[in-house]
Amino acid sequence: EPEVTQTPSHQVTQMGQEVILRCVPISNHLYFYWYRQILGQKVEFLVSFYNNEISEKSEIFDDQFSVERPDGSNFTLKIRSTKLEDSAMYFCAVGTSGYEQYFGPGTRLTVT
Amino acid sequence: QKEVEQNSGPLSVPEGAIASLNCTYSDRGSQSFFWYRQYSGKSPELIMFIYSNGDKEDGRFTAQLNKASQYVSLLIRDSQPSDSATYLCAVQRVDSSYKLIFGSGTRLLVRP
Repeated sequence: EPEVTQTPSHQVTQMGQEVILRCVPISNHLYFYWYRQILGQKVEFLVSFYNNEISEKSEIFDDQFSVERPDGSNFTLKIRSTKLEDSAMYFCAVGTSGYEQYFGPGTRLTVT
Repeated sequence: QKEVEQNSGPLSVPEGAIASLNCTYSDRGSQSFFWYRQYSGKSPELIMFIYSNGDKEDGRFTAQLNKASQYVSLLIRDSQPSDSATYLCAVQRVDSSYKLIFGSGTRLLVRP
């Protein structure tokens, strides 16, 4: 049984549009992360979230990105104005401690 | 200097053989080490983690860590065609965010 689900599985959007990617943990996780993987490249850290606040963000995570966990369940990543270079697989990862992280199935974002 | 380095492969081994996957890292502050398996088009799946120098065995998998040499390895015994995937090494500093820094991965092919 997966630790976490993600919706949608695939999102196609036009450049400049806003997208919201959702992560739904199944167990009682405390640590939340977003990573992305551009096709053929390595998995890159975007942001970590603990105790309802960002604990660290990478230089990729600029003002166009935001995260929140509004209802104590869903963990969302919002990209305000998408660019072509935002096309990638976006993975949510969760953990009950700060150590092991379990990845969701991912959302493939295609920006046209 | 890359933070986490892996040979991209492919590493080709016959079914039943031992596959040896290697990873080096540059940050001496790294304290936790993870091996993920990623099938094409899928998300990373955690298969092993190791925190202390030495060997850690789990079924057909053995992780080896040498912090002095900044070297982590994964041995897969009795390799099966279903083990064919990309193996990602990830390292983690135990600080406020616990973010994972990934290598580019080694592609493993197990020939029937």
